[in-house]
Amino acid sequence: EAGVTQFPSHSVIEKGQTVTLRCDPISGHDNLYWYRRVMGKEIKFLLHFVKESKQDESGMPNNRFLAERTGGTYSTLKVQPAELEDSGVYFCASSPSLVDSAFFGQGTRLTVV
Amino acid sequence: KQEVTQIPAALSVPEGENLVLNCSFTDSAIYNLQWFRQDPGKGLTSLLLIQSSQREQTSGRLNASLDKSSGRSTLYIAASQPGDSATYLCAVKRGTSGSRLTFGEGTQLTVNP
Repeated sequence: EAGVTQFPSHSVIEKGQTVTLRCDPISGHDNLYWYRRVMGKEIKFLLHFVKESKQDESGMPNNRFLAERTGGTYSTLKVQPAELEDSGVYFCASSPSLVDSAFFGQGTRLTVV
Repeated sequence: KQEVTQIPAALSVPEGENLVLNCSFTDSAIYNLQWFRQDPGKGLTSLLLIQSSQREQTSGRLNASLDKSSGRSTLYIAASQPGDSATYLCAVKRGTSGSRLTFGEGTQLTVNP
């Protein structure tokens, strides 16, 4: 069974550009989460999808971040325009239900220069 | 607001030593607590999950305990090996429904041959 897959694994962009991160959850997992770890800080929650609906987006830092989950399958996280402080590792996780343990992807390392 | 603290931030031990990693959380109203392992450039691997009603969980050389009333958890690693070198993360899921995970900053463990 394939795990949670994230694309790209690394991205280096200039300040002001747009970047789109993609997450393919484990098939059949209704719950999809985005987390972020910035340098020297703990991993922090960004948002939670149940199927295609945003269940909780209270962790999104500002309106430069837009997350979507088309048809309840894969998800994208767009940062537009990117700022230096957006640099970090973005993790995606999925789980079949709220009570189950979430499976994490390998993360996308974003560097904004 | 839930806060999770992990002590120590880094630990270096000789191979074969038994060791304890500590995790504390400020809000005892948790649904479960999970210990993860992260290897450099990799995603998070779930090691042990303890439900709020449980006191401990064991898997191989790993044992995790939970004292919800005092807001503490420990991860005990017996007979450490160089392959145990990684960052260990503690995360709690809040409330009764549970969605997001709140992470500590992690303990970076190095086991020297």
